[in-house]
Formats: sequence, structure tokens, C-alpha cells
Amino acid sequence: DTEVTQTPKHLVMGMTNKKSLKCEQHMGHRAMYWYKQKAKKPPELMFVYSYEKLSINESVPSRFSPECPNSSLLNLHLHALQPEDSALYLCASSTERSTHDTQYFGPGTRLTVL
Amino acid sequence: AQSVTQLGSHVSVSEGALVLLRCNYSSSVPPYLFWYVQYPNQGLQLLLKYTTGATLVKGINGFEAEFKKSETSFHLTKPSAHMSDAAEYFCAVNTGGFKTIFGAGTRLFVKA
Repeated sequence: DTEVTQTPKHLVMGMTNKKSLKCEQHMGHRAMYWYKQKAKKPPELMFVYSYEKLSINESVPSRFSPECPNSSLLNLHLHALQPEDSALYLCASSTERSTHDTQYFGPGTRLTVL
Repeated sequence: AQSVTQLGSHVSVSEGALVLLRCNYSSSVPPYLFWYVQYPNQGLQLLLKYTTGATLVKGINGFEAEFKKSETSFHLTKPSAHMSDAAEYFCAVNTGGFKTIFGAGTRLFVKA
């Protein structure tokens, strides 16, 4: 099973809402990533978790709060977002054997902030 | 610092024609290089990667790329384009660590 799943597929939220994005993988990967992708742009790294510990935070605003409750799950909690945060949010995972191992991407959550 | 430049934001080819997508990288240490494809409203899928060893790398769907250190290039080719190849293609570089740098992307159009 080389699949990364993400829910929901689409999300529309107001600027005062609190919502969460969920990512799951069952490949035994110990590194998990959140990326943000704006239209016609490459993915931008937001966070990396390694062995359930936050390894990289690319100076992401605090209105985005990641969580890795176990080795298979990765959440992104959203609060007080701005319209410019509308984007495709991609989750990915990779093994910890080597940092250049293949990243497996989920299909993404299309987020619209009104 | 590492960086990736993809030459041409859009490339258009006829079905059956050669596909050539260009990628140049900048890195002070030996790089690991990747090509990903993204279909509309989907995540990224790895086409191929270069780590060490043979410089001609074969990937899925008939794509291949050649690592040329002297030219700092990693161009992606496919001998004969198919309509299903129409997508966005990203070249990426990693020099160690969890951070992979993606190029700006090249949109491939395939004409019937």
C-alpha cells in the first residue's frame, strides 16, 4: 500500500472558523510533511515531522498548527485564516532511511477561505 | 544554497513527438534530483530520481532523465508523447535533510 490519504478533499471556511485537515499513511514511514501549493506554483514546505516530533517549521504563521498524534497520522489545525491562505494543502511521507528517499504525496485538500 | 530552474513554463508538443523538459540546478554538494508529475487537482507523483551511480535514469510512463554534472542539468525526455502526458512537471533537488526545493514547474500540452 503506497497511498497517502487526505481528508477532506475540499474545505470552505470563514475567517473565524476552526477546522482541521487530516493525513494518513500506512507505509511505515516515519517522516511526514505538510506543503502549501498556490495555483500555478510549486509546493512550498510548511512542516516536517520525524518520528512524531516537529523537525522543520518553515516560519509558518501560528494560525496553522500541526500535530502528529502517532506515526500514521498527521493533522493540520486551522484557525483565524486569511483569504490568502486559500490553496491546495498537500501531505507527504517518506522513510527515515535516507533524507533523499521518495516522498509519497496525498491528493491534497483544496482549501477556500472566505 | 540550492536552487532549481525549469526553462519554459509551458511546453507544447504534438502527440507522438519527442518531449523535452529542461531543468538546471545549483548546488554546492552532490545533489539528489527528482522529477514529479502533477495532474489537475491531484498530488505529486514521482516519475524518477537520481541519487548516485548511473547518470541515465529511467522512470515510469516511458520517461527518462540524464544527470549531467558538467552542465548542472537534469532534463526530462520521452521519445513519443501521449495525450495522457499532459500535466504539470516539477524538477526538484535535495542536498540532504528533509527540505526538497522544487522548480517553478512546466506545463506540458499535448496536441492531437
